[in-house]
This record gives sequence, C-alpha cells and structure tokens, in this order.
Amino acid sequence: DAGVIQSPRHEVTEMGQEVTLRCKPISGHNSLFWYRQTMMRGLELLIYFNNNVPIDDSGMPEDRFSAKMPNASFSTLKIQPSEPRDSAVYFCASSLGPYNEQFFGPGTRLTVL
Amino acid sequence: AQSVTQLDSQVPVFEEAPVELRCNYSSSVSVYLFWYVQYPNQGLQLLLKYLSGSTLVKGINGFEAEFNKSQTSFHLRKPSVHISDTAEYFCAVTRLSGTYKYIFGTGTRLKVLA
Repeated sequence: DAGVIQSPRHEVTEMGQEVTLRCKPISGHNSLFWYRQTMMRGLELLIYFNNNVPIDDSGMPEDRFSAKMPNASFSTLKIQPSEPRDSAVYFCASSLGPYNEQFFGPGTRLTVL
Repeated sequence: AQSVTQLDSQVPVFEEAPVELRCNYSSSVSVYLFWYVQYPNQGLQLLLKYLSGSTLVKGINGFEAEFNKSQTSFHLRKPSVHISDTAEYFCAVTRLSGTYKYIFGTGTRLKVLA
C-alpha cells in the first residue's frame, strides 16, 4: 500500500494567491482528516470527513479555508486568498473509522510570502 | 471537556538510558489512547494504542505504555534509548461516546545525546 499521498510536498506562493492542497487516503479508509502544524500552535485539526461527508469543520480558521471530498479517494484543502500567517505544514490523515489509528501523509509545507 | 496534557515539552536523555514521556488526559467517558512519533520532516506514525484489555501496551521500537485509569495517565516508556529515537512524540485521545473528538497533545521533543 502506498500510504496516504499528499501533493505538492512544498508550495511557495505570494499573498493573495489561491492554494490547493491534495490528498489521496489509503484505499478502504472511510475517515479523512486535515491538520495544520506550526511551531506556535502545534498540531491543529482543521476538518474531519466520514464517508466523504464533512462532520466537524470547527477547526477551519476562517472562510478563506475550504475543504472538499468529492469521492472516497480524493480530498482537497483550498486557501483563497492566502496570507503569510497560513504558512505551515499541512497534513492529511486517514483511518478506518474515526476512533482508530490515523495514518498520516508526508505533509505539504506551505510558505506564503 | 476532553483534553490531553503532555507536561514536558523537551526531554534530553543520554543514549542507553531509560526514558519516560508523560501524558495525562481528562474525559468523563471511556477513551482510546494513542502515542504517535514524528521524525523530522515526516508525518506522524503510530507507536502504540490502548483500546481495552491489558493496561500495559507494547508498541514498535521497544516502546511501551501503561494505562492508569485512576490517575488518568498513559505514560510512554523505553528502557534503553538510541540516537535514532530522537523525535517528537504525541499523545492522543479519542472518546467513545458523545460528540466526536480526537485530540492530540502538544508534543514532547525527545533528544537522545551521545
């Protein structure tokens, strides 16, 4: 199994630009999570999907952030417009049910100039 | 409210010495408990988990943890650490009823010294 796949691995963009991060969960997993990690705030859960349906998006910082899961094998996290304070490592994780072990992708390091 | 506390932000220890990384949680309902490790520039990966049964849980790389319900703790231990254990360690808890929550602690950075 290839594990959770995230793309791109690194993204450098300028303030105001749209950024789209992509995630392919492990086949058969029905729960998907988006996290943000920074030195200041640690690991934060942004949004959680179960069976492609967003269950809890209370961690999404503001309306500039949106996430979709059009099917069981693909999810996106979009930031529009991006700001320097969005610079962080964004992780996608998947699991077989929300209470079980989460498998993390390698992360996308986002830098907004 | 559910929470996870990792009291130590950094733990330096010499190679081949034992180590304990502390984790305390609070929850009014039954929980599952996890320890994850994050090596530099990588995602988190599971070390071990407690779901039910024996309170002593063994994981990968020689780590183990003990669930103590009365003290609401789930401390991680290793009897002899290696340089390669240098990483950040996260405790996590999820509750089994009520509103779904999967909460990670703030992490403990383990630095193994030669």
